[in-house]
Amino acid sequence: ETGVTQTPRHLVMGMTNKKSLKCEQHLGHNAMYWYKQSAKKPLELMFVYSLEERVENNSVPSRFSPECPNSSHLFLHLHTLQPEDSALYLCASSQDLEGNDGEQFFGPGTRLTVL
Amino acid sequence: AQKVTQAQTEISVVEKEDVTLDCVYETRDTTYYLFWYKQPPSGELVFLIRRNSFDEQNEISGRYSWNFQKSTSSFNFTITASQVVDSAVYFCALSDPPSQFYFGSGTKLNVKP
Repeated sequence: ETGVTQTPRHLVMGMTNKKSLKCEQHLGHNAMYWYKQSAKKPLELMFVYSLEERVENNSVPSRFSPECPNSSHLFLHLHTLQPEDSALYLCASSQDLEGNDGEQFFGPGTRLTVL
Repeated sequence: AQKVTQAQTEISVVEKEDVTLDCVYETRDTTYYLFWYKQPPSGELVFLIRRNSFDEQNEISGRYSWNFQKSTSSFNFTITASQVVDSAVYFCALSDPPSQFYFGSGTKLNVKP
C-alpha cells in the first residue's frame, strides 16, 4: 500500500450507533489531519495531529473523537451523530507542521451517511 | 482572518477549449502558501501545485499554468486544450503555517467531448 488509505470507503449508520473511521499513511509523515467535506461547502479542517499530539481542534462537536496511536494511524470515533454529519470525511498527512510548506496528501475519503 | 474564494461554482467547456479557474484569497500574513488540488469523482484530492508567498513567478506544467498575483491576491489556474479527463472539482487552498489550511468551495469543471 502506498500513500494514504482510509477505511471504510462507505459507511451508513444510525444516530445511536458507534463507529470508527480509520486512516493510515505509508509516507513516513509526522502530521495527520481530518477534514469534513459537505455538499457545496468548503472543506472544513476538523483535527490536526503532529507527532501523535493534537494541535488543532476547530470547535468540533464532542460526538467526534479523534485518536492518533502512532504517527502512521489516525482514527475518528463517531457516536450519537446527527443526519447533518453526513459528509465525506477526508484524512490527510504532511511531512511536518513547523516550517511545513503545506503539501498535504489526501486519502480517498469515507462517505458517511447518518440515518 | 484567512479566506479563499472561488467564485465560479461550475464551468462547462467543450474539449480543446482553454479554461481559467479563478481563486482569490485573503490573509494578513506575509508568509503563506497557495495550492491547487483536483478532486475527481473518486473523491481523493490530488495535489497539483504549491506556491509560496515570496515566489510570484508563473508556472507552466504541460497543459496547466498558474498565474499568481499578490497585487490582486489571486492565484488563477488555466488549463489549455482541455480534455474530458480534466473533468473534476478543483480546489484552491491557502496555508498559514504551521497547521491551518483553508480551502475554497471548489469549482466543478465539466469538459464535454
